[in-house]
Amino acid sequence: DAGITQSPRHKVTETGTPVTLRCHQTENHRYMYWYRQDPGHGLRLIHYSYGVKDTDKGEVSDGYSVSRSKTEDFLLTLESATSSQTSVYFCAISGRRGINEKLFFGSGTQLSVL
Amino acid sequence: DQQVKQNSPSLSVQEGRISILNCDYTNSMFDYFLWYKKYPAEGPTFLISISSIKDKNEDGRFTVFLNKSAKHLSLHIVPSQPGDSAVYFCAASGESGGSQGNLIFGKGTKLSVKP
Repeated sequence: DAGITQSPRHKVTETGTPVTLRCHQTENHRYMYWYRQDPGHGLRLIHYSYGVKDTDKGEVSDGYSVSRSKTEDFLLTLESATSSQTSVYFCAISGRRGINEKLFFGSGTQLSVL
Repeated sequence: DQQVKQNSPSLSVQEGRISILNCDYTNSMFDYFLWYKKYPAEGPTFLISISSIKDKNEDGRFTVFLNKSAKHLSLHIVPSQPGDSAVYFCAASGESGGSQGNLIFGKGTKLSVKP
């Protein structure tokens, strides 16, 4: 199994509060991703990183920010959580892009915004 | 607009029979396709992939077929086992076409294999 740790595994928070989810990898992979999974939507990309301090937006980036100060850590922040951000969040890593790219996923964080 | 479509939310199959999961895509620039499997409370795990230069890739009980002209791929599982019961996601990527090389996932198909 790829060495990916997501924390926390579960979190309940209130609308309007800031929330930070952490992804830690031990594989030294260059690329890291944050996805959310929702019923009827599958997996949707929030943000991704292609190196330390290099990040870019995915298809559902509104309301989220990310930071990557070290190769091994990728943080996802909800500046002011809303109920629509209740979801399961998955971090993924890969060593390459394009053909033969293969994402390895963490176990997920279940976030509930009340 | 969905670029990767899995039109069957669920599929039920008898143990030992073939499971066929389907996926359609709209972006002709996609050149790499993958299937992921997901159990409850776990992250998705890679199952099998195929590049656009091939029309078939096989790995044990799992075979993926690609029909580029129809923009369609399918995953065949033979024989199906109860442990195959999971949600299966189809994904595609291509450097051109708006995805920026990122994987675009379908909504998933829940497979139930009955003993």
